[in-house]
Amino acid sequence: SQQGEEDPQALSIQEGENATMNCSYKTSINNLQWYRQNSGRGLVHLILIRSNEREKHSGRLRVTLDTSKKSSSLLITASRAADTASYFCATDIYNQGGKLIFGQGTELSVKP
Amino acid sequence: ETGVTQSPTHLIKTRGQQVTLRCSSQSGHNTVSWYQQALGQGPQFIFQYYREEENGRGNFPPRFSGLQFPNYSSELNVNALELDDSALYLCASSPDRTEAFFGQGTRLTVV
Repeated sequence: SQQGEEDPQALSIQEGENATMNCSYKTSINNLQWYRQNSGRGLVHLILIRSNEREKHSGRLRVTLDTSKKSSSLLITASRAADTASYFCATDIYNQGGKLIFGQGTELSVKP
Repeated sequence: ETGVTQSPTHLIKTRGQQVTLRCSSQSGHNTVSWYQQALGQGPQFIFQYYREEENGRGNFPPRFSGLQFPNYSSELNVNALELDDSALYLCASSPDRTEAFFGQGTRLTVV
């Protein structure tokens, strides 16, 4: 079964708007990672946030982590049509050395 | 570019056949993991190799097996293919078992 549950499953916005995706998980983690996937091809690593971190930024991306609620969010600001893709959260489970458990993903569509 | 190369890109096999998928990682990446991604789903962990030894396995039957070689290449072998094995197979390598770098995947279709 999937460790991560993502919400929403699909999101459609206009260019320039912000996109927020949420991820919940069930067990203790070493870190949580967000990936992007275009058209069912390879996954592109976006950002990693460690269990002792609460917020992290990378360019137009902002990730938060709340370990007490076992949840994370990914915010993409000023979205572009090129951001259209599927976004996955993946948890690196505590004491399982790098095995990533993925959520079902959020399909983001950014309309020009 | 992640520096992780998978071959072939696409593959069609018949039920019952065997298949070998290949992955070439970046130099220095001692850990390689394989994932299966069915259409519309998130990737599912198959197994991980660390310095040529299996180091964790997901909920996949023994007909899924792997090898990791000293030259940072690896293989995923699947015997007795079933229709449900049709999926995108992703290889991911890591220098330190944290951030994973994924290849573009092999799309396997079993008919």
